[in-house]
Amino acid sequence: SNELRQPPSLSVSPGQTASVTCSGDKLGEKYVCWYQQKPGQSPVLVIYQDSKRPSGIPERFSGSNSGNIATLTISGTQAMDEADYYCQAWDSSHVVFGGGTKLTVL
Amino acid sequence: EVQLLESGGGLAQPGGSLRLSCAASGFTFSNYVMSWVRQAPGKGLEWVSAISGSGTSTYNADSVKGRFTISRDDSKNTLYLEMDSLRAEDTAVYYCAKDQAFCTGSSCSFINIDYYAMDVWGQGTTVTVSS
Repeated sequence: SNELRQPPSLSVSPGQTASVTCSGDKLGEKYVCWYQQKPGQSPVLVIYQDSKRPSGIPERFSGSNSGNIATLTISGTQAMDEADYYCQAWDSSHVVFGGGTKLTVL
Repeated sequence: EVQLLESGGGLAQPGGSLRLSCAASGFTFSNYVMSWVRQAPGKGLEWVSAISGSGTSTYNADSVKGRFTISRDDSKNTLYLEMDSLRAEDTAVYYCAKDQAFCTGSSCSFINIDYYAMDVWGQGTTVTVSS
């Protein structure tokens, strides 16, 4: 199955924009979801169908997907956004997760 | 309130079996695709299995194919994961998750991957495989 690749870590200062990338072969031809997971907690869906936000997710979370790269963008990053972020897509009747990106806000 | 509550985790020996359950409430269970996702200690998320709303279509990760079976009992609003031939590498927290897309009629017989996204997760149940 197709692999989804994410940078293991990313650091951002409070108030700045964080861009978490997810790359995969022809990823732009598939729908991508993004999940946030804080330590000791279950994952939370933050983006689905590339760019849609579930109810209750702040507007500072946005997504895009084109070519081979999907991007989760967090504008005006806050300390509470520090978490692991995972991309997810379907490939060949399988769900595939990226390896996850640990976002540090400092 | 939409809730998912997993149970059935515990310690199993290599080669042994366990059955996980996920009790759903707060939504019409039979109208949603349900999935199992696991997370090994200190590792990322790994999808395990998914089942269509009607239960007629199931999908499994290669790592569990032939060993794990996903099923659902809509009369009990419960999702199951039967795990056989357990291995040490199956040690993980197992989450059940609900799809965000509502299905009706014939659309419940398959998983529409264009709309698939896991919008509600349980708290997880821990499976440890060790002798």
